Amino acid sequence: KAGVTQTPRYLIKTRGQQVTLSCSPISGHRSVSWYQQTPGQGLQFLFEYFSETQRNKGNFPGRFSGRQFSNSRSEMNVSTLELGDSALYLCASSLVGPGQETQYFGPGTRLLVL
Amino acid sequence: GQQLNQSPQSMFIQEGEDVSMNCTSSSIFNTWLWYKQEPGEGPVLLIALYKAGELTSNGRLTAQFGITRKDSFLNISASIPSDVGIYFCAGQTTSGTYKYIFGTGTRLKVLA
Repeated sequence: KAGVTQTPRYLIKTRGQQVTLSCSPISGHRSVSWYQQTPGQGLQFLFEYFSETQRNKGNFPGRFSGRQFSNSRSEMNVSTLELGDSALYLCASSLVGPGQETQYFGPGTRLLVL
Repeated sequence: GQQLNQSPQSMFIQEGEDVSMNCTSSSIFNTWLWYKQEPGEGPVLLIALYKAGELTSNGRLTAQFGITRKDSFLNISASIPSDVGIYFCAGQTTSGTYKYIFGTGTRLKVLA
């Protein structure tokens, strides 16, 4: 089975711009979670989508949003970029159900905001 | 955001030595996961634990789900240079808004 894929792998933007990141989960996985990873804050949970609905949300401002499509692919959008948004953005997919919700990560998208 | 207490923060060891790291929390978890991350890549799942007291091995790696459900440890036996990386624990809780909470990571360096 192919793993979780994320595009693009690298991105450079300037302050005030917006960005959209894409994640394709492992085939059959319907839950997709997004995380932000920075050296200072570690791995921080952004949100989780299941069946096109946001099921969980972390403590991030409304500039961070996401969606999931009927094929379980997910996109994350960050509007009005700030310097502090520079980070590795990771997507993880999982099955849903007791004992099955092990998360598998993609390689990440490294975003640099100038 | 919430994080688990993971220790040690970093370790420098000689090739062939055994390594032990652990995570503790004030919350009860249903699942513990252990990941390894190398520079520029996403975390790779090493071991998943689903029951309190469960002891699971994956090659030279062994992890246990604490019986209190508030802690877990990971052991690496006979370390080799390719074990270098950052090891993260993650706990799944059904309370609150977070699905998985991640530890702060243990940075492992192996000296040949």
